[in-house]
Amino acid sequence: QVQLQESGPGLVKPSETLSLTCSVSGYSFSSGHYWAWIRQPPGKGLEWIASIYETGSNYNHPSLEGRVAIFLDTAKKQISLRLSSVTAADTGLYFCARVVADSWSGYPKYSDSWGQGILITVSS
Amino acid sequence: EIVMTQSPATLSVSPGERATLSCGASQSVSTNLAWYQQQPGQAPRLLIYGASTRATGIPARFSGSGSGTEFTLTISSLQSEDFAVYYCQQYNNWLWTFGQGTKVEIK
Repeated sequence: QVQLQESGPGLVKPSETLSLTCSVSGYSFSSGHYWAWIRQPPGKGLEWIASIYETGSNYNHPSLEGRVAIFLDTAKKQISLRLSSVTAADTGLYFCARVVADSWSGYPKYSDSWGQGILITVSS
Repeated sequence: EIVMTQSPATLSVSPGERATLSCGASQSVSTNLAWYQQQPGQAPRLLIYGASTRATGIPARFSGSGSGTEFTLTISSLQSEDFAVYYCQQYNNWLWTFGQGTKVEIK
């Protein structure tokens, strides 16, 4: 059974770069999934950030374009997220998730496994 | 970007009763829609995908329906563990969007 575990700094200063890592266990990276980062501001709903396929092709949310980067290291079984120039609006719970891929379109579909999330606070 | 709108924002239901949650899309997403349940302090859990297919291990009291722009999640007889927040998500293209959520609370 796949398990995902997010890790990161917890507290980031405004204007700095947030770096998060998701470590995956119980999964073979030749199985053809996407991996995604999704966040949840305090008391609010879910916001998709970025997705990456096992070949490395990826999609980023247009509102974060230029600030966000997602990486996949299959040897280490890790998915990383970098978000630059953070502000208080980037505060929230950050989840990584495994995503089923559409065999016809190649697009990411839905998340069938999630990490427990990591709380990130942007504050000086 | 496709905007997903859920209603109501809060639904008060007694245990054992039926709950009906709605999700609307600003343009057609066919049946490319998923529902998730989120308990306080926990990660979301996949309930339904393809608008109507239950995910592995999801009880039969959860059912999804709809296509195009109108979708419904029905919980036939609410159990104590079903009181949570429910989100719909469209995946008609790579730009995912979620609804704002419906909180199902005990009446």
